[in-house]
Amino acid sequence: KAGVTQTPRYLIKTRGQQVTLSCSPISGHRSVSWYQQTPGQGLQFLFEYFSETQRNKGNFPGRFSGRQFSNSRSEMNVSTLELGDSALYLCASSLGQGSTGELFFGEGSRLTVL
Amino acid sequence: AQSVTQPDIHITVSEGASLELRCNYSYGATPYLFWYVQSPGQGLQLLLKYFSGDTLVQGIKGFEAEFKRSQSSFNLRKPSVHWSDAAEYFCAVVRGSNYQLIWGAGTKLIIKP
Repeated sequence: KAGVTQTPRYLIKTRGQQVTLSCSPISGHRSVSWYQQTPGQGLQFLFEYFSETQRNKGNFPGRFSGRQFSNSRSEMNVSTLELGDSALYLCASSLGQGSTGELFFGEGSRLTVL
Repeated sequence: AQSVTQPDIHITVSEGASLELRCNYSYGATPYLFWYVQSPGQGLQLLLKYFSGDTLVQGIKGFEAEFKRSQSSFNLRKPSVHWSDAAEYFCAVVRGSNYQLIWGAGTKLIIKP
């Protein structure tokens, strides 16, 4: 069974630009969560989608948004990039909403903002 | 508010030595507890989980963890570490009926040859 696939793996943007990251969950998984990981802040929850609906949201500004498609694939978008948005963005999938905390992670998309 | 504390930011152990990584949680009810591992340049992988029952749980890669309700702890152990165990380890607890995970700050394990 293929794992969680995130694209692109690495990208470099400049301040003010916008970026879209993609996540394909494990086949059959309907829940997708997004996390931001930085050395200073650790793992921070962005949002969770289940059946195309955002079910949970972390404490991030409105520049961070996401969506989920009918095939459970998910995208997240960050607009008006700031230097502080440089991070590893991790996507995780699970069978159902939350699935009692058992998440399967992708390798992440490493974003550098210059 | 619920929280998870991993008091050690870094731990260095010699290859072949035993390991214990500490995790304390603050949660009113019986929690669901997890340990995840993140190897360099990788995503996170579930090592083990505790939901209920036997307080000593076995995981992958030879790891185990013990749930101690009286100490609000869920420490991760391994009797003999290998160089490939060098990674960052995260403890997490599920919060609420929506099963949102609360994460510890992580402990980076360094293995001395």
